[in-house]
Amino acid sequence: QKEVEQDPGPLSVPEGAIVSLNCTYSNSAFQYFMWYRQYSRKGPELLMYTYSSGNKEDGRFTAQVDKSSKYISLFIRDSQPSDSATYLCAMKNNAGKSTFGDGTTLTVKP
Amino acid sequence: GAVVSQHPSRVICKSGTSVKIECRSLDFQATTMFWYRQFPKKSLMLMATSNEGSKATYEQGVEKDKFLINHASLTLSTLTVTSAHPEDSSFYICSAEEASSGTDTQYFGPGTRLTVL
Repeated sequence: QKEVEQDPGPLSVPEGAIVSLNCTYSNSAFQYFMWYRQYSRKGPELLMYTYSSGNKEDGRFTAQVDKSSKYISLFIRDSQPSDSATYLCAMKNNAGKSTFGDGTTLTVKP
Repeated sequence: GAVVSQHPSRVICKSGTSVKIECRSLDFQATTMFWYRQFPKKSLMLMATSNEGSKATYEQGVEKDKFLINHASLTLSTLTVTSAHPEDSSFYICSAEEASSGTDTQYFGPGTRLTVL
């Protein structure tokens, strides 16, 4: 079993929709949780970083962490065609090693 | 935000040659840099962790003699793929951890696409 499982997608939504991206994990040693956005043929770009259970909001993006259920989500409100990309969840333990999900490809249609 | 550059962005080489990829943190100091490999539609596979001034730590299954890593300064790490073969063709991405941020956030470079003929 992988340490990090990410909903595989792909997802295709109309412009303006709310998008929910999800990951589960099995290793309780993970303490830090990140979401990255990766456009085709580019490196990942950090979107959200959090380390506690609850919600963290940044503009149209909300990261949600539930440590008791070992579940994290990224919500995108009012999705735009420019949000079309692959989204990677990542988790890090106290030793600093990050483990990435396989990514979910999102397409927002105008 | 912090910027990490990689050079070259794309390289095509003949089988048997060596290729060097540079990773630079442009506006911050990075005591730790990471090298990843990414296959199409797959996630990032950590190859090695590089700390400035010391030997890199390689992940299981990664040949350290084939993938030479040097982290000579707080802003530069290099990955050299020695005697490259077609199976080494991949997208190589580095990331750098901002030492002073307190959150150990990783910032990624734009990646280098290596094609070995």
